Amino acid sequence: VQLQESGPGLVRPSETLSLTCTVSGGSISNYYWSWIRQPPGKGLELIGYIRYTGSTDSNPSLKSRVTISLDTSKNQFSLKLSSVTAADTAVYYCARIPNPDWVNWFDPWGQGTLVTVSS
Amino acid sequence: EIVMTQSPATLSVSPGERDTLSCRASQNIYTFLAWYQQRPGQAPRLLIYGASTRATGIPARFSGSGSGTEFTLTISSLQSEDFAVYYCQQYNNWPPTFGQGTKLEIK
Repeated sequence: VQLQESGPGLVRPSETLSLTCTVSGGSISNYYWSWIRQPPGKGLELIGYIRYTGSTDSNPSLKSRVTISLDTSKNQFSLKLSSVTAADTAVYYCARIPNPDWVNWFDPWGQGTLVTVSS
Repeated sequence: EIVMTQSPATLSVSPGERDTLSCRASQNIYTFLAWYQQRPGQAPRLLIYGASTRATGIPARFSGSGSGTEFTLTISSLQSEDFAVYYCQQYNNWPPTFGQGTKLEIK
């Protein structure tokens, strides 16, 4: 299974960040699928996940701004993060959670895409 | 939220040496712990899950141990490709959380 993130590399403050993860080499119709971010020079933060059933959950620190959706026909899932600020500048990764029943570890990961929030 | 604390922040080691990285959880996470390696400019790669089970394709020189709140990742006979940042991650409680990382650098 391989994952590839895509989307704009620059987003204006207060706008919505939108990213898509394309899954190849396997069906998206199993497991959990997640978004994780890493600010420059810093550590990793889980943003949220979507299960193949369509159920989602997000990190409480971001919950009010996060929407994650699934498109099984395209083998893709997407992230929308609203009202962004400079603090949302980060490399955004998509990753699979290789257990169909509960959220555990992340494997594999996409290569990541840098999103900069700036006017 | 469970806080994961890794120590030290940076470790200087010579190739061929054995090294141990530490990770502490702010509360009991049993063995619900994973370790990742992140080389410069790359995505993290899963090394260990369940505190001690190596992921597919991970060399035997990587080993994990611990339970409860104290965990270690040991790398025997460091190779040049092992110099990277290592993160621990707990998945006992929602949300899963990561440590701040330990950078392994060449002495």
